[in-house]
Amino acid sequence: KAGVTQTPRYLIKTRGQQVTLSCSPISGHRSVSWYQQTPGQGLQFLFEYFSETQRNKGNFPGRFSGRQFSNSRSEMNVSTLELGDSALYLCASSLARTGTTHNEQFFGPGTRLTVL
Amino acid sequence: KNQVEQSPQSLIILEGKNCTLQCNYTVSPFSNLRWYKQDTGRGPVSLTIMTFSENTKSNGRYTATLDADTKQSSLHITASQLSDSASYICVVSALSGYALNFGKGTSLLVTP
Repeated sequence: KAGVTQTPRYLIKTRGQQVTLSCSPISGHRSVSWYQQTPGQGLQFLFEYFSETQRNKGNFPGRFSGRQFSNSRSEMNVSTLELGDSALYLCASSLARTGTTHNEQFFGPGTRLTVL
Repeated sequence: KNQVEQSPQSLIILEGKNCTLQCNYTVSPFSNLRWYKQDTGRGPVSLTIMTFSENTKSNGRYTATLDADTKQSSLHITASQLSDSASYICVVSALSGYALNFGKGTSLLVTP
């Protein structure tokens, strides 16, 4: 069974640009969550999508948005990039809603975004 | 405010030695606690998931304990190997809602 895949793996952008990251969950998984990971802050929750609907959102500005398609694949978009957006962006998929007891989350390898 | 605190922030041990990582949380009402291992440049991988009624869970050389009364968990690594060098992240979820609360992790380095 294929794991969670994320594309691209590495990305370099300049301030002001926008970027779209893609996540393909494990087959059959309906929940996709996105996280930002930086050395100083650790893993921070961005949002969760389940059955094409955003179910939960972290404390990030509106420049961060996402969507989920009918095949559960998800995209995350960041507009008007800032230097502070440089981070590893991870997505995770699971069968049930994130946080559900015994519902295991499987993480992808991440997309390393560098903003210059 | 739901918080998860991990200690130590970093740890260096010799190969073959044991070590224990700590996780204290204020998440309430408690639902479950997870430990993840994250190798450099890779996504986290789940080691254990424990609910309120479980106070010990093992996964090979990894043993997690949970004291829901004191809101503390520990991850014990036995007979460490070089491949154990990674960041270990404690994650706690509350009964209300589905949000996960992440600790900042403990960075473990196992040296020969």
